[in-house]
Amino acid sequence: QLQLQESGSGLVKPSQTLSLTCTVSGGSISSDHYSWSWIRQPPGKGLEWIGYIYHSGSTYYNPSLKSRVTISVDRSKSHFSLNLTSVTAADTAMYYCARDLRGLVNIWGQGTMVTVSS
Amino acid sequence: EIVLTQSPATLSLSPGERATLSCRASQSVSSFLAWYQQKPGQAPRLLIYDASNRAAGIPARFSGSGSGTDFTLTISSLEPEDFAVYYCQQRTNSLTFGGGTKVEIK
Repeated sequence: QLQLQESGSGLVKPSQTLSLTCTVSGGSISSDHYSWSWIRQPPGKGLEWIGYIYHSGSTYYNPSLKSRVTISVDRSKSHFSLNLTSVTAADTAMYYCARDLRGLVNIWGQGTMVTVSS
Repeated sequence: EIVLTQSPATLSLSPGERATLSCRASQSVSSFLAWYQQKPGQAPRLLIYDASNRAAGIPARFSGSGSGTDFTLTISSLEPEDFAVYYCQQRTNSLTFGGGTKVEIK
């Protein structure tokens, strides 16, 4: 059974870069059918899609975050990563990694909380 | 960006009652509308895709309808485990989520 696990720093200082990794287990990250997404949820608020990547390395980002986001994949390590630059308090959120099929998110990680604070 | 507006924000109902949740898109999303359920402390779970198709393992009491800009999620008879927050999501143009409807116990 495919599982996703987020890891990374839970506390980031303002103006710095948020970095998270999602490790895929129980299945292949190299499927042509699926893309690998990052989605976030500020405390008490709704969901915001950040972007996705295919195993080939092709990416698609939320236009509102595009200037600050980079998603990359390492097939040899079966993981994909998120970098978000120049963070502010507004970037404080639960960050989920997920697998999606043409925009349908059918497998989610448990999420990791990231707080932006000095 | 396609904006999804969900209503009501909160729905207070008793177990056994019928729940009707609405999602309106700022422009047509055809049938590319999905519904997710999220319980406290958990990741969301896909319930309905392409407006009316139940995802694997989703009980038949959950149904979806609509096309274009107006969509509905119906829970025919609420079970205790159905009290949660529900989000709609479109995948026609990028991916966006609605603001959510909380279904709470009356």
